[in-house]
Amino acid sequence: QVQLVESGGGVVQPGGSLRLSCAASGFTFTTYGMHWVRQAPGKGLEWVAFIRYDGSNTDCADSVKGRFTISRDNSKNTLYLQMNSLRSEDTAVYYCAKDLRRYNSGCLDEWGQGTLVTVSS
Amino acid sequence: QSVLTQPPSVSAAPGQKVTISCSGSSSNIGSNYVSWYQQLPGTAPKLLIYENNKRPSGIPDRFSGSKSGTSATLGITGLQTGDEADYYCGTWDSSLSADVFGGGTRLTVL
Repeated sequence: QVQLVESGGGVVQPGGSLRLSCAASGFTFTTYGMHWVRQAPGKGLEWVAFIRYDGSNTDCADSVKGRFTISRDNSKNTLYLQMNSLRSEDTAVYYCAKDLRRYNSGCLDEWGQGTLVTVSS
Repeated sequence: QSVLTQPPSVSAAPGQKVTISCSGSSSNIGSNYVSWYQQLPGTAPKLLIYENNKRPSGIPDRFSGSKSGTSATLGITGLQTGDEADYYCGTWDSSLSADVFGGGTRLTVL
């Protein structure tokens, strides 16, 4: 079955950096787009970024543009999120999610269990 | 403030039916497919409905989706206590070039 396992979360100071990883298995990783979605404590879902199946195109939310970068290594079946210049408002559980299609269809059909990022001094 | 508008909470008795609305605009719901997600307490979201009204394998037919114009609706019949969760609608917004979610609706089964 599909498994998405996030790692790399933790506590980081404001202005710091962190790289999240998402190890995928149980499906053909190279043929699906992938997303990062976050959820601040007690809040709703916020889409963060998307990358096409082959890495040829990415999109990200205005709130993280210029600070976060999504990437993927199809040879390792792994999705990444490089987060720089972190702010307190970036504190959230970060979920890796698979898109229904190769492109951004707006439908996230499989989700990981999430990894917590806390930005605090 | 979310791009898609959902009621913060709904409630109904076991066995009853409930509907959850999701209101948007021509750039999101009006021109793209809508998905619905269920988030049980302490767990990751799970896809319930995709492409407005389709159910993934394993989702019971108690859950249904519909769309009309710039609004979408999730319906749940035969409510069970295990249905208590937060429900989110989501879609692509062509103007924002971003995926968007509703603020979420907490379902309480009394």
